[in-house]
Amino acid sequence: DAGVTQSPTHLIKTRGQQVTLRCSPKSGHDTVSWYQQALGQGPQFIFQYYEEEERQRGNFPDRFSGHQFPNYSSELNVNALLLGDSALYLCASSPTRFRSYNEQFFGPGTRLTVL
Amino acid sequence: SQQGEEDPQALSIQEGENATMNCSYKTSINNLQWYRQNSGRGLVHLILIRSNEREKHSGRLRVTLDTSKKSSSLLITASRAADTASYFCATVSGGSYIPTFGRGTSLIVHP
Repeated sequence: DAGVTQSPTHLIKTRGQQVTLRCSPKSGHDTVSWYQQALGQGPQFIFQYYEEEERQRGNFPDRFSGHQFPNYSSELNVNALLLGDSALYLCASSPTRFRSYNEQFFGPGTRLTVL
Repeated sequence: SQQGEEDPQALSIQEGENATMNCSYKTSINNLQWYRQNSGRGLVHLILIRSNEREKHSGRLRVTLDTSKKSSSLLITASRAADTASYFCATVSGGSYIPTFGRGTSLIVHP
């Protein structure tokens, strides 16, 4: 059983560009959450998708957007990249029947560097 | 914003010793979770403790929760070099079900 997978592993972009990160949830999971983790910090919640809709959102600007597909996989898009967007982007999946329990399974992350 | 704050920020011990990490938080919680992260990669869920529980065990891990002091501790007994990682506490409050992470404790276990 494959766990949460993310692609690409590493990415280098320049300021002003746009980036798309991808995530496939663990088998049997239909809820996907995205986090940003700056160096030396804990993960910060960006947003959560369920049934192809954004259900909750953290304190991130509209430059950060996402999408969930019918197979539950998800994309994170960031427009007009800033140097401060350099971080590890983590995807986590969970089964909705455990929503109140909220154990999430994390992918290995995508390391984004903005130059 | 970050709800939980881990203490210490860094911890260096010898193999076989016990490691204790603490987490303090500000608002009431539904549950508190501990995660491990190796070398800046994905997080691994270690243990969850609910607000009405005081102590939980999982293998060499022991977690305590004191809601009156708004604090939790993670004890790793008989540490191994493979325990070297960053450890994060995450709190879940209200109806959001979204964990809020602290900045983590960096643990180094020397062989």
